[in-house]
Amino acid sequence: EAQVTQNPRYLITVTGKKLTVTCSQNMNHEYMSWYRQDPGLGLRQIYYSMNVEVTDKGDVPEGYKVSRKEKRNFPLILESPSPNQTSLYFCASSRTGLDTEAFFGQGTRLTVV
Amino acid sequence: GNSVTQMEGPVTLSEEAFLTINCTYTATGYPSLFWYVQYPGEGLQLLLKATKADDKGSNKGFEATYRKETTSFHLEKGSVQVSDSAVYFCALSGDSYGGSQGNLIFGKGTKLSVKP
Repeated sequence: EAQVTQNPRYLITVTGKKLTVTCSQNMNHEYMSWYRQDPGLGLRQIYYSMNVEVTDKGDVPEGYKVSRKEKRNFPLILESPSPNQTSLYFCASSRTGLDTEAFFGQGTRLTVV
Repeated sequence: GNSVTQMEGPVTLSEEAFLTINCTYTATGYPSLFWYVQYPGEGLQLLLKATKADDKGSNKGFEATYRKETTSFHLEKGSVQVSDSAVYFCALSGDSYGGSQGNLIFGKGTKLSVKP
């Protein structure tokens, strides 16, 4: 089954404690990205990657890091989480960047206290 | 820059009512337009898309037409069902030039509740 898998689904952590949210896709997609969803703001792109070892900032990259060492995986790293990063996070992948369907993971609800 | 504006919700309808969710956009170049749907507790799924002016996207009884002259992509369904209750997002693809290739720019979402 074609899917994007994120882990964990839920996470509560404390300010400053490094964490990683994993994302994996089994569709051999080149393009992957991370979004955060906040009430009243919709989805905003954090980082994206057009292929292995190629990553770039989206609209709200501050406080986040990513890596793309393999085509299937695109982890999101919060080196020092802060309460304003409490949000619902989605990973997405697509065959290419433009015009093709984006497949989304089920989301990771992160709370930073 | 590119942006998407969609009608604020929530929208509450009775079963079999007609649905319109308005979406307008601002964009340079020739973006593709999308509607995504998010059911409770799930990620987003593509509902329909249109890649050029006057294209009509359709799926599951929903339709939207890419209107370049009015920069709009309104979502319509003739008869909604309880199972259509979800959050609907209008989106456009990022400009094909520059570093944001493939960036999907989303509207804020419209929550639809359909009552039996």
